[in-house]
Amino acid sequence: ETAVFQTPNYHVTQVGNEVSFNCKQTLGHDTMYWYKQDSKKLLKIMFSYNNKQLIVNETVPRRFSPQSSDKAHLNLRIKSVEPEDSAVYLCASSYAGVETLYFGSGTRLTVL
Amino acid sequence: QEKVQQSPESLIVPEGAMSSLNCTFSNSASQSIWWYQQHPGKGPEALISIFSNGNKKEGRLTVYLNRASLHVSLHIRDSQPSDSAVYLCAVKGTGNYKYVFGAGTRLKVIA
Repeated sequence: ETAVFQTPNYHVTQVGNEVSFNCKQTLGHDTMYWYKQDSKKLLKIMFSYNNKQLIVNETVPRRFSPQSSDKAHLNLRIKSVEPEDSAVYLCASSYAGVETLYFGSGTRLTVL
Repeated sequence: QEKVQQSPESLIVPEGAMSSLNCTFSNSASQSIWWYQQHPGKGPEALISIFSNGNKKEGRLTVYLNRASLHVSLHIRDSQPSDSAVYLCAVKGTGNYKYVFGAGTRLKVIA
């Protein structure tokens, strides 16, 4: 049963445009994450938030900015996308950063 | 920085056979190791986790952890075509909120 919802499922855009992805979890978790999955299925953490506070901020380009309005929502904005940003962006949540990760189905971004 | 490596990259087994997947990690102090299953077009889904040395069984799944050799394995008994997916090994590092994933093993079970 899906409990982490991501929108949109797919997005195709041109180099230099701005995109935003949304994520909502209904599990009551206090920690949310953004992961990037490349074409070889490698998952790399980008950001994690605990109770709306940024906890993990891996080395990602400054054009990526996460936004959390409350502990159930975590959005990702990319200003001026580049071709290397083409990937699947996966949102996940967990409790207190120590438990099982629950993932959404991902947003596939294609940058032309 | 924790490093996680998985082998083999891909595995093909006949229906009913045992599937064996391997994962090595770089830090013996890593807290827990998870296995996730990912079907095409879906997000990863947690299968089983282990923290202590030894083995753990859940249904058709058995996981073995050896911290001294920095190695964990997942074995799927009586593999089914529905088990065909990418299996990801994830290691939780010593700091909270950071799970490091391997690149995955693509399993195909042939009927």
